[in-house]
Amino acid sequence: NAGVTQTPKFQVLKTGQSMTLQCAQDMNHEYMSWYRQDPGMGLRLIHYSVGAGITDQGEVPNGYNVSRSTTEDFPLRLLSAAPSQTSVYFCASSYSGGSRYNSPLHFGNGTRLTVT
Amino acid sequence: RKEVEQDPGPFNVPEGATVAFNCTYSNSASQSFFWYRQDCRKEPKLLMSVYSSGNEDGRFTAQLNRASQYISLLIRDSKLSDSATYLCVVRDRTSSGAGSYQLTFGKGTKLSVIP
Repeated sequence: NAGVTQTPKFQVLKTGQSMTLQCAQDMNHEYMSWYRQDPGMGLRLIHYSVGAGITDQGEVPNGYNVSRSTTEDFPLRLLSAAPSQTSVYFCASSYSGGSRYNSPLHFGNGTRLTVT
Repeated sequence: RKEVEQDPGPFNVPEGATVAFNCTYSNSASQSFFWYRQDCRKEPKLLMSVYSSGNEDGRFTAQLNRASQYISLLIRDSKLSDSATYLCVVRDRTSSGAGSYQLTFGKGTKLSVIP
């Protein structure tokens, strides 16, 4: 049971480069989300999705795009990387809605991104 | 902006001690509450959900006070393996559609259990 799989684990980018962080889950979760974690700031929500074709912005969406073409995948795109995007990124998924309102988030292992 | 505030820590306690963490949240309509645990350089993992009547899981007890918008976590008989950062988490419905929600994480409280 793979759970939530994030790739890559580490990445170094130069300012202005673009890249996509991949996230896939095999638990048939409706809800998927991306967080960034910075020292002293805690986890902050970037974007989330409640199902294929539906995405919405979280607390810190600027500089990031997402799409949800399938239930399993939720990639995060950085169109033009900036040093302020140096962070640890976590993808997470869960069941959502109805009787599953207490369903926990399952996190991927994280991607450590450095932008120089 | 929804806020979740936690004790800043760090908490350094000897093995066998009892330690309590507190958390307050700003949205009176928040739906669900959780404690997550995060080990250094690892992903957060669910420790326990927090129910209105309070709940216990072994050495861990969680309490919720909706009137005061306050959540607590009590750890009894601390073990070295309890050393981690504990995150208070609040879930709120959003208007994006059925099942849509956001989780807001506190900044965490670091616990170090000392031999």
